[in-house]
Order: sequence, then C-alpha cells, then structure tokens
Amino acid sequence: QTVVTQEPSFSVSPGGTVTLTCGLSSGSVSTSYYPSWYQQTPGQPPRTLIYNTNTRSSGVPDRFSGSILGNKAALTITGAQADDESDYYCVLYMGNVIWVFGGGTKLTVL
Amino acid sequence: EVQLVESGGGLVQPGGSLKLSCAASGFTFSGSAIHWVRQASGKGLEWVGHIRIKTNNYATTYTASVKGRFTISRDDSKNTAYLQMNSLKTEDTAVYFCTRDYSHAVDVWGQGTTVTVSS
Repeated sequence: QTVVTQEPSFSVSPGGTVTLTCGLSSGSVSTSYYPSWYQQTPGQPPRTLIYNTNTRSSGVPDRFSGSILGNKAALTITGAQADDESDYYCVLYMGNVIWVFGGGTKLTVL
Repeated sequence: EVQLVESGGGLVQPGGSLKLSCAASGFTFSGSAIHWVRQASGKGLEWVGHIRIKTNNYATTYTASVKGRFTISRDDSKNTAYLQMNSLKTEDTAVYFCTRDYSHAVDVWGQGTTVTVSS
C-alpha cells in the first residue's frame, strides 16, 4: 500500500521561508495526483490552503504557495507569521476515486 | 454562508453501529460530491470515503480499513449526507468530518462529530 510521506516536524523563524513536502513511499508525485494542502490548529477543523497543486483556496494569503519540487509536492510559506504555527496535511488523489492523506507536519514558528 | 454540520456521534460498544449525518446549506448540495474524513485524538487526518452525485449514480469509494463496514449515502431532497458505520472497532474512535469535494480536493469542512467506540 502506497504511503504519503511528510516531514513530522519543521521549524521556521518569524519572517522566514519554509518548504514542506509531500512524497510517496514508492514513486514520484506529479500534478496528476492533484496535491492539496490543509492547515489545522488544535481543536479546529482543517482549513483548505491549496488545491490542484498550486491554486490557493479563497481567502488564503499569497504567502502560501504550492508546487512540484523534484519528485514531491511542496507547500512554501514565505514570510512566516506566528499564527502559521499549525499542523499541515497534504492529500494526494490516487486515482479510482481514492484519496490518501499524508501523516502531517507540525510547524513551529520560533 | 456555505456550511456543513455533522451530527450523530456518540459512545457505542465494539461491534455496534452508528449513523452520522452531514447537513449542508448555502450551496447546491445535489451538485457536490461529499467526502468523510476522520481524525483520532492526537493523530493525523484519514480519508474515509466519498460519494458522487446523481449523474455519477451516487457511486461510493472507501478506504480499505472501513470497506464492507461503512456505507456512505445521501438524500439530496434533504441536503444531507450520511455515514452508516457497522461492526465498529475501537480503532474507529475519532472525530468525523464531512467535507465538500472540489477539484480533486475538499474545500469546505464541517466542525466534526465525535465517535467513541468503547466497552
């Protein structure tokens, strides 16, 4: 069974730039997986940030961007702010109407 | 306002059943596929399943761990989707979210409803 991989944790300084990635245990992520990204703070439902690799959801600031970097999907946060400290999840569409979430990345801003 | 509201969670014994509801408002429910996603306490998100719209025959798909035990359905006349959960296991304990499908992703999330499977 294919596993979607994410860094368990990451830290970034306020104002800094961080790139979180979303890969596959076997194979490369491409736009055909329609990678999407979600932000979640404790006790809250997730918030959709990016869909279809690089399209920002309504109301999401442009310091959040999505891309394909090498063989992974990537979420880049430019000019990190304190309230960006959250868990970030990617989802890949595996075909046959099946989706798989990554394990999530806990981002610390300090 | 586009909104999804889950209900029906609660405490159930292992082997029992529970049916969750997801009430939609603020958009054309019949034109939107719906996903169910769950999250065990302190753990990550897990995609549970999906139901398509009428023109796709309300086709459903599920993650392997719930296939054969969970059934997603919908009643477009009531703007509501459902998650019927049978043969529940302790590992099904989680907050269950319904979400609206959008462009091979999800864009609207409910607040979630908590299911606890315990004796």
